[in-house]
Amino acid sequence: EIVLTQSPGTLSLSPGERATLSCRASQSVSSSYLAWYQQKPGQAPRLLIYGASSRATGIPDRFSGSGSGTDFTLTISRLEPEDFAVYYCQQYGSSSRFTFGPGTKVDIK
Amino acid sequence: QVQLQESGPGLVKPSQTLSLTCTVSGGSISSGGYYWSWIRQHPGKGLEWIGYIYYSGSTYYNPSLKSRVTISVDTSKNQFSLKLSSVTAADTAVYYCAREDVEMATIFINYWGQGTLVTVSS
Repeated sequence: EIVLTQSPGTLSLSPGERATLSCRASQSVSSSYLAWYQQKPGQAPRLLIYGASSRATGIPDRFSGSGSGTDFTLTISRLEPEDFAVYYCQQYGSSSRFTFGPGTKVDIK
Repeated sequence: QVQLQESGPGLVKPSQTLSLTCTVSGGSISSGGYYWSWIRQHPGKGLEWIGYIYYSGSTYYNPSLKSRVTISVDTSKNQFSLKLSSVTAADTAVYYCAREDVEMATIFINYWGQGTLVTVSS
């Protein structure tokens, strides 16, 4: 079973700053099957990135994804006030079909 | 725009069966090409995928829950449902219904319901 680890647990930044979120897999993951989601309090997760680097429909280009193998990164180039949220990486392909990382909370410094 | 909406009891007693229904609008389950799923999130915790159903009725469940989960579909009502038996307090969570999209060589969860909190308590 592939385990996803996200770091840091919490990232405290100011609006306008760059955010770099890490997702590490316990074994190699196909880039095709790595996605990132954003979740705000009281809301469902929202798809941001699929296939490791493809932005979902309507997602601003300040969000970008990269990586391969066991190391993946979500970058937010310049934080907007609405970007403060929890971010989850997710992989497809294990026996449980989808597994999610524990999340990284991006909060306002 | 596809929308999903969960419905069902917000409180279930221990050892009983949790039952939820997801109503899909803006798209037909019968059109095929998508997997219709249930995902849960324990309070303040991460996400756990429960299982999916295809419009044909084929299913796949998370092995960790497989013995207690049944997902069914009613294409005439454009709904799919979750039953989780023998619930305990550990099943208290927000339950989401969702649509998995397959595109080119990738798969992702593209649409989510708003979620419904189910509490297991006597």
